[in-house]
Amino acid sequence: DGGITQSPKYLFRKEGQNVTLSCEQNLNHDAMYWYRQDPGQGLRLIYYSQIVNDFQKGDIAEGYSVSREKKESFPLTVTSAQKNPTAFYLCASSIGQGYQPQHFGDGTRLSIL
Amino acid sequence: QKEVEQNSGPLSVPEGAIASLNCTYSDRGSQSFFWYRQYSGKSPELIMSIYSNGDKEDGRFTAQLNKASQYVSLLIRDSQPSDSATYLCAVRSGGYQKVTFGTGTKLQVIP
Repeated sequence: DGGITQSPKYLFRKEGQNVTLSCEQNLNHDAMYWYRQDPGQGLRLIYYSQIVNDFQKGDIAEGYSVSREKKESFPLTVTSAQKNPTAFYLCASSIGQGYQPQHFGDGTRLSIL
Repeated sequence: QKEVEQNSGPLSVPEGAIASLNCTYSDRGSQSFFWYRQYSGKSPELIMSIYSNGDKEDGRFTAQLNKASQYVSLLIRDSQPSDSATYLCAVRSGGYQKVTFGTGTKLQVIP
């Protein structure tokens, strides 16, 4: 079945540690996105990528980094510079052209140890 | 002014009633409008897309778009307890196709 796979489902970060969240899609979508969701808040865009080897900062990119070496994969690294990383992280993808909606993975819940 | 605004709720309706969820947006150039359902602890699930003024129906769901007034709404007919969730309104504008999400309206369907 086609879909978006995020792993791990739960992740714990120690002080000063970088952690990487995985996002893989087999929908042949061009565009991929990372969002952060905090309790009672909407989704905030961290980074997005419309094509391989290209990505742009979203509204809250500080303390995060991404890569897009393959069409199927868009990993997110939460660096030690992100001082408040505890949140629900959602990866999404879309066809990228026209008005098509985004579809989401199941999310990764990140907490600080 | 927030780009996409929703009443946070909770909106409580009895089982079998019509639930009406509303969303306003600030960018007149917005082109695409989406409603997502999000159960507690889960990821958003797309339930409706609408692109032109008027109504669009899909089963028990009807999306309504009024670009002149800059609002989009979602009606859920014959509400069921399983409809209890947070409903997110999302608006896509031009340029890099940025999608902006509202903070969501929590719906409670009372049996």
